[in-house]
Amino acid sequence: AQSVSQHNHHVILSEAASLELGCNYSYGGTVNLFWYVQYPGQHLQLLLKYFSGDPLVKGIKGFEAEFIKSKFSFNLRKPSVQWSDTAEYFCAMRLEGQNFVFGPGTRLSVLP
Amino acid sequence: EAGVAQSPRYKIIEKRQSVAFWCNPISGHATLYWYQQILGQGPKLLIQFQNNGVVDDSQLPKDRFSAERLKGVDSTLKIQPAKLEDSAVYLCASSTRGTGVPEAFFGQGTRLTVV
Repeated sequence: AQSVSQHNHHVILSEAASLELGCNYSYGGTVNLFWYVQYPGQHLQLLLKYFSGDPLVKGIKGFEAEFIKSKFSFNLRKPSVQWSDTAEYFCAMRLEGQNFVFGPGTRLSVLP
Repeated sequence: EAGVAQSPRYKIIEKRQSVAFWCNPISGHATLYWYQQILGQGPKLLIQFQNNGVVDDSQLPKDRFSAERLKGVDSTLKIQPAKLEDSAVYLCASSTRGTGVPEAFFGQGTRLTVV
């Protein structure tokens, strides 16, 4: 069965620090990959998505992710985090026509 | 565009009672999903509709959960009878069948507490 794992349960950073959140998926074929963010009290929102082409994907709010097929990974990065990035981050995969399979999430706390 | 609407936002019920949640997807979105998100976990699919047909309900506990999407627009999810372990946030999402990679748009969710 397809699954998504995320390396860290809770990450604590100071403002201006660099961020990298790990995500690995298990599926041998073509997948679509997503990062969603959930700010406190808000609904899940899309940060970025990958389906083909350039493996480095840029999203909103300065986030980017790199798809490495050989490692089944889709890590999320941001060079300098802000206090407002405090949120829960979910990696997800989707096979064509099927549903979204989510990872367990990583809680990011950014200290001012 | 208007987002995915869900109601109610919060619900507290006693175990063995029944409860229903409502979802109105984004206009024109053919695909509708219901997810269950238990505290500290990622969303888990309960059921996926394409228009008014069920695509995937393999993880829906059918002895107590039911869902319908009459006319291919809004949808209801029902739990009868509820158990303590059903306490969770129930998320509705919708997506298009368009070209590219359709993303899922999520509602605010309904937080259910079973006591």
